[in-house]
Amino acid sequence: AQSVSQHNHHVILSEAASLELGCNYSYGGTVNLFWYVQYPGQHLQLLLKYFSGDPLVKGIKGFEAEFIKSKFSFNLRKPSVQWSDTAEYFCAVGTYKYIFGTGTRLKVLA
Amino acid sequence: GAVVSQHPSWVICKSGTSVKIECRSLDFQATTMFWYRQFPKQSLMLMATSNEGSKATYEQGVEKDKFLINHASLTLSTLTVTSAHPEDSSFYICSARDGREGETQYFGPGTRLLVL
Repeated sequence: AQSVSQHNHHVILSEAASLELGCNYSYGGTVNLFWYVQYPGQHLQLLLKYFSGDPLVKGIKGFEAEFIKSKFSFNLRKPSVQWSDTAEYFCAVGTYKYIFGTGTRLKVLA
Repeated sequence: GAVVSQHPSWVICKSGTSVKIECRSLDFQATTMFWYRQFPKQSLMLMATSNEGSKATYEQGVEKDKFLINHASLTLSTLTVTSAHPEDSSFYICSARDGREGETQYFGPGTRLLVL
């Protein structure tokens, strides 16, 4: 069955700490991978996406993600988080239709 | 990125009434739009895929007679919750596929429905 797992449900960090959010998937065939962010009271925004090519993808706001095919993973990273990164982060997988992970709530302490 | 709007953002209705939610792609044409439902502290669950000019495709377990979807133009899809009941209260989110960017979906701000 197709599925997406985000292992960290809640993450609390201090400003300037490094961030890594895990995303593992189970999906047959060619896969497109996405990370979306939902800031409090706002809609989902695309952070970055991977279709093919360089497995290290750079997105907006200093975020990046690495696709590791052998591990079926697409982890999100940021070297130094800011208070404004407090949000919920969703990993999604799919070609035509998306399957979303359960989300990770990140709280960054000032 | 592409912009998707939803209207209304909030709606409160009485049990048994019908509610229509609009989803518009503002700066691109979307042959395909998607409707999701998000429960509190949970992920997005795809309800249906809406294709312009054809019938919507519903996910397993979603009642098509309950959740009517119409995609009448390349920029507008509507979701009508018919004979709404309290258990239909939820956060409904639409997305639109921007064909210029492969399979990338852009999301609307969502509509919070409360059925009394």
